[in-house]
Amino acid sequence: QVQLVQSGPEVKKPGASIKISCKTSGYTFTTHYVHWVRQAPGQRLEWMGIITPSGGTTNYAQGLWGKVSITRDTSTSTVYMELSSLTSEDTAVYYCARAALSPTNTFFDHWGQGTLVTVSS
Amino acid sequence: DIVMTQSPDSLAVSLGERATINCQSSQTLLYSSNNKNYLAWYQQKPGQPPKLLIYWASTRESGVPDRFSGSGSGTDFTLTITSLQAEDLAVYYCQQYYSFPVTFGQGTQVEIK
Repeated sequence: QVQLVQSGPEVKKPGASIKISCKTSGYTFTTHYVHWVRQAPGQRLEWMGIITPSGGTTNYAQGLWGKVSITRDTSTSTVYMELSSLTSEDTAVYYCARAALSPTNTFFDHWGQGTLVTVSS
Repeated sequence: DIVMTQSPDSLAVSLGERATINCQSSQTLLYSSNNKNYLAWYQQKPGQPPKLLIYWASTRESGVPDRFSGSGSGTDFTLTITSLQAEDLAVYYCQQYYSFPVTFGQGTQVEIK
């Protein structure tokens, strides 16, 4: 079955960076785009970015340009999301999600379990 | 960006009764060339990721109970849960995928009365 398994929770200080992994299985890695979505406490889900697993092409939310970077390792079917210059506003649960359609205009048919990132001094 | 607005923010429904959640988009989600509405619904239980329920506004995802149904077109959409069950306690979100970036509603909390 399709699975997206994310790395564990993290606590970071303001100004630090974080890199979250999302290991996929149960399907051909290169056939579905992978997106990242975050959910801050009490806030709606926010789309962050996308990567094309085959070619590694990325696109990011306008408000996160220069702060977020998404990469992938095709040998392990894993996608990574790195967020830099963390502030308290980055405290959120971060999800990777598999696109049901291609590439950006899509809904999400499978999600990772979520990774809680807490930014606190 | 397309703004998605859900109503109500929360609702309490008795077991076995009907729950209705509305979602309005700031612009049409109906793509004229294929006559499809680019709208999905998700269920999120505490401590869990969102789960896809409905896509194309009214197509139920495989394995989703038929008490969940979606309707609407253009800018106004509805998720209906007929005969609410205890396991339906959750937050429900709508999402548009008509235009980039995809955006979500603020969520509707369904509680058991």
